[in-house]
Amino acid sequence: AQRVTQPEKLLSVFKGAPVELKCNYSYSGSPELFWYVQYSRQRLQLLLRHISRESIKGFTADLNKGETSFHLKKPFAQEEDSAMYYCALRGAAGNKLTFGGGTRVLVKP
Amino acid sequence: ETGVTQSPTHLIKTRGQQVTLRCSSQSGHNTVSWYQQALGQGPQFIFQYYREEENGRGNFPPRFSGLQFPNYSSELNVNALELDDSALYLCASRQDQGGYEQYFGPGTRLTVT
Repeated sequence: AQRVTQPEKLLSVFKGAPVELKCNYSYSGSPELFWYVQYSRQRLQLLLRHISRESIKGFTADLNKGETSFHLKKPFAQEEDSAMYYCALRGAAGNKLTFGGGTRVLVKP
Repeated sequence: ETGVTQSPTHLIKTRGQQVTLRCSSQSGHNTVSWYQQALGQGPQFIFQYYREEENGRGNFPPRFSGLQFPNYSSELNVNALELDDSALYLCASRQDQGGYEQYFGPGTRLTVT
């Protein structure tokens, strides 16, 4: 079974402060992990995936198979980062994306 | 803008009725997935279609069914609506089964009274 847990429903930080969104998963094989973001009044869109190992909008995420985690980090949060963030997992079959419950990030000026 | 569209934007139905939601995928995207997103929760996978065949299903009863057409459009049908079916329904398309990025539509808000 695939399961994704995002323990924080809401993260409130000040502009310029670091932000870390936690994501833990449960999957017996080798998963693909993603972070999706939804800005206000916009549709859900891909932010980054673990395979690409790139930084998007200053965000990075490292897959830790030992801790089964894929936390999203940004060293200096900006007001435009305020959004809903979802961690998602796709298993080997490739036909199902399992989402976590989401974390709302609020960056205060 | 990704080009995935959904209709209608929102609708209200009565318990026991049937509903059809529509999605138009990006051209060239042979794979479409449907998700149910209840208020305050993440999207839940309903099923996926690849080249007009269902090839993956989540924990949803058979009264949730779908169709995919050769013109990159698809439908989600829900029979015998229940109050708990009230949610935002999202469709997402991607290139074949190997494409990693899913492009989401804006969703259809269904309210069952």
